[in-house]
Amino acid sequence: QKEVEQDPGPLSVPEGAIVSLNCTYSNSAFQYFMWYRQYSRKGPELLMYTYSSGNKEDGRFTAQVDKSSKYISLFIRDSQPSDSATYLCAMPLGGTSYGKLTFGQGTILTVHP
Amino acid sequence: DAGVTQSPTHLIKTRGQQVTLRCSPKSGHDTVSWYQQALGQGPQFIFQYYEEEERQRGNFPDRFSGHQFPNYSSELNVNALLLGDSALYLCASSQTGTDYGYTFGSGTRLTVV
Repeated sequence: QKEVEQDPGPLSVPEGAIVSLNCTYSNSAFQYFMWYRQYSRKGPELLMYTYSSGNKEDGRFTAQVDKSSKYISLFIRDSQPSDSATYLCAMPLGGTSYGKLTFGQGTILTVHP
Repeated sequence: DAGVTQSPTHLIKTRGQQVTLRCSPKSGHDTVSWYQQALGQGPQFIFQYYEEEERQRGNFPDRFSGHQFPNYSSELNVNALLLGDSALYLCASSQTGTDYGYTFGSGTRLTVV
């Protein structure tokens, strides 16, 4: 069993839709939960991260963590064609700036006009 | 302010050869990590360098080695290349002790034929 599981999709939605992306994990030691966006031929870009359980909102993006279920989500409101990318969940062992990141497989998202 | 710079962007090597990939971290960052991303997969942690020492290593064979220089730049070396080493190699830098997370480069696409 992988430490972090993520449905690879692909996911295709119309512009303006609400998108839900999810990951499950097995390692209880994870304390930080990150979401990266990766455009084609580019490296991952950090969207946001949360610490422990709860919600965090940043513009159209909301991250949720449920540590009791070992389940995290990223919601995108009013999705735009520019949101089309691969979304990766990632969890560091240690802080957010050291230690290895364990990634999910990534979910490919396409937002069509 | 330049982000993480990786060179070369693309590389084709023959099975059995050796390759060196290079990374310049973002200004102010002192920690460099390397990841391997196979097509359709999330990045896999290879190792991390801090203060010119390998601080942590993932499940990669000894054919993968690295180095960090006093100016924090880093190299990834892979010996005896296998077809399965074909992947996108990502460098990520960070400032240890901060909560700013990792910044990734755009990667080096290595093809082994």
